[in-house]
Amino acid sequence: DIQMTQSPSSLSASVGDRVTITCRASQDIRNDLAWFQQKPGKAPKSLIYAASSLQSGVPSKFSGSGSGTDFSLTISSLQPEDFATYYCQQYKSYPRTFGQGTKVEIK
Amino acid sequence: EVQLVESGGGLVQPGGSLRLSCATSGFTFSDYSMNWVRQAPGKGLEWVSYISSASSTMYYADSVKGRFTISRDNAKNSLYLQMSSLRDEDTAVYYCASSRSRIVGDWGQGTLVIVSS
Repeated sequence: DIQMTQSPSSLSASVGDRVTITCRASQDIRNDLAWFQQKPGKAPKSLIYAASSLQSGVPSKFSGSGSGTDFSLTISSLQPEDFATYYCQQYKSYPRTFGQGTKVEIK
Repeated sequence: EVQLVESGGGLVQPGGSLRLSCATSGFTFSDYSMNWVRQAPGKGLEWVSYISSASSTMYYADSVKGRFTISRDNAKNSLYLQMSSLRDEDTAVYYCASSRSRIVGDWGQGTLVIVSS
């Protein structure tokens, strides 16, 4: 199975900050990587696929990059609605695997 | 508007069975593959199972293989998860999610399964 490791596990940031979350795969997954956002008590929401392509309706303040084993999600200017937990997921092979999540909290 | 609505969760004893459903609308269900993803209380996301659009291919996580069965009814725009031999560690919110070209798009709101005596 492909292991996905996110860092950090949590971070505190202020409104307006630029935030970057990283995700590392245990083997080459090309760009078969997605990012999801989950707010407390809510279902996950799909943000990014193919490492850097935004899902329809996702604001451009979110961006993704990377290929192979190292990936990142950046939020350019953090807003109150962005405080949530973010997960990466590889879809190169089954079983699909998620990172452990990164909780973005208000400083 | 795309909608995925899970149902069928509840309290079940260890060793028991439960059938989850996911009713969909707002998209051409038969064109999409489907997935079940779960989340134990306070934990991260865990992929559970996948079924292709025509039910020709299914995959399962090792943790549920042999105990859970995924199925779909394209005429009813619905996805199912038959769960048997349930264990305490199967306690979670279960989400259905659509996918196309391997990419997950829309998610349901989830249904809670509690396995406890």
